[in-house]
Amino acid sequence: AQKITQTQPGMFVQEKEAVTLDCTYDTSDPSYGLFWYKQPSSGEMIFLIYQGSYDQQNATEGRYSLNFQKARKSANLVISASQLGDSAMYFCAMREGITGTYKYIFGTGTRLKVLA
Amino acid sequence: DAGVTQSPTHLIKTRGQHVTLRCSPISGHKSVSWYQQVLGQGPQFIFQYYEKEERGRGNFPDRFSARQFPNYSSELNVNALLLGDSALYLCASSLLGWNTEAFFGQGTRLTVV
Repeated sequence: AQKITQTQPGMFVQEKEAVTLDCTYDTSDPSYGLFWYKQPSSGEMIFLIYQGSYDQQNATEGRYSLNFQKARKSANLVISASQLGDSAMYFCAMREGITGTYKYIFGTGTRLKVLA
Repeated sequence: DAGVTQSPTHLIKTRGQHVTLRCSPISGHKSVSWYQQVLGQGPQFIFQYYEKEERGRGNFPDRFSARQFPNYSSELNVNALLLGDSALYLCASSLLGWNTEAFFGQGTRLTVV
């Protein structure tokens, strides 16, 4: 069954430190994409980073990197040098190729609080 | 370029009423999807439209319907509103494919009283 699991409801990190947000997924489709979104209190979902199932290297986008371990079905988000503006909800999501709808399946999210 | 725009941003309705939410995708994006996000949860898929055709539907009752217009904008309609329909409704536009990111609007916060 298609599923995204985020086991950390809330996380704290000190400003300028790195933090890892966990995400595991379940799918039988060989073609899938894994995405991380940031949702501030305003509600908009902001795209952060993408990893495709066939990608050999871990994705990086500025201070964001994705630790993709295919055999373990995990796609953890690493935020380096945390900033106060990083405080938000973070969602891991998956899109599969087999369904044809390419809908997102979201996890329950992790609320990150960056401390000054 | 303008991002995904949704209207209205906030809405208060009474139980039993009908509501229409609107979404304009990013220029060049032909796929529009709708998601419902109840407080404290992740977004749940409602509909996807591509080239004015429904491509997918989530596990929502028939009170929920949607359509896509020739300019690729979209409407989500909800009839006979229930208290449980109170949520943030998000619209996402994208190119078609499992390996493309979707861009979301700021959402419509619907409160049913």
